[in-house]
Amino acid sequence: DSGVTQTPKHLITATGQRVTLRCSPRSGDLSVYWYQQSLDQGLQFLIQYYNGEERAKGNILERFSAQQFPDLHSELNLSSLELGDSALYFCASSEAVSGNTIYFGEGSWLTVV
Amino acid sequence: AQSVAQPEDQVNVAEGNPLTVKCTYSVSGNPYLFWYVQYPNRGLQFLLKYITGDNLVKGSYGFEAEFNKSQTSFHLKKPSALVSDSALYFCAVRLGGTSYGKLTFGQGTILTVHP
Repeated sequence: DSGVTQTPKHLITATGQRVTLRCSPRSGDLSVYWYQQSLDQGLQFLIQYYNGEERAKGNILERFSAQQFPDLHSELNLSSLELGDSALYFCASSEAVSGNTIYFGEGSWLTVV
Repeated sequence: AQSVAQPEDQVNVAEGNPLTVKCTYSVSGNPYLFWYVQYPNRGLQFLLKYITGDNLVKGSYGFEAEFNKSQTSFHLKKPSALVSDSALYFCAVRLGGTSYGKLTFGQGTILTVHP
């Protein structure tokens, strides 16, 4: 158990809908990352927050947004969902930034039908 | 820009034999290198990392990796494979000395250890 908690573990939703994925980082970790894993794209970095502020942005679609709250938990919001958004979404956390190990949660499986 | 290549989609090895999973990287600066393993329907588990120091890094479950700067490689090794090592392995790189921690992953290598 990495200590990173993600909910829900699985969800199925229809095209055009909106979902929110939630992540609680390991105790003491200030940095949260979101990754998307799909068969065709592999593991893609989406976005990083550090202590509530956006720190780095990757291949995140404009339909997606994220935030980190004062208690350090984070949410990834996915809207206007398309079939191609079906993927495993990972949250990860680290104590600080460069050099620290990043620990991953179990992921949230999203299926868009 | 940073990138990782795992040239083998699959590696097959017999139980008890040594295993190697290959990784090469490209980064404009000091590389921080990582190996993660993913079991079916599970998250990514951290195995080991190279930040600085000794080029041979030892990690969890008997795995080790050797950092080779001239060949820009960071191959994962284990002297004696177990059937339970069968999983998907990812190599990852991040740029050292920066204020952000984006990890770039390779495409992954499926390791199958046969009894």
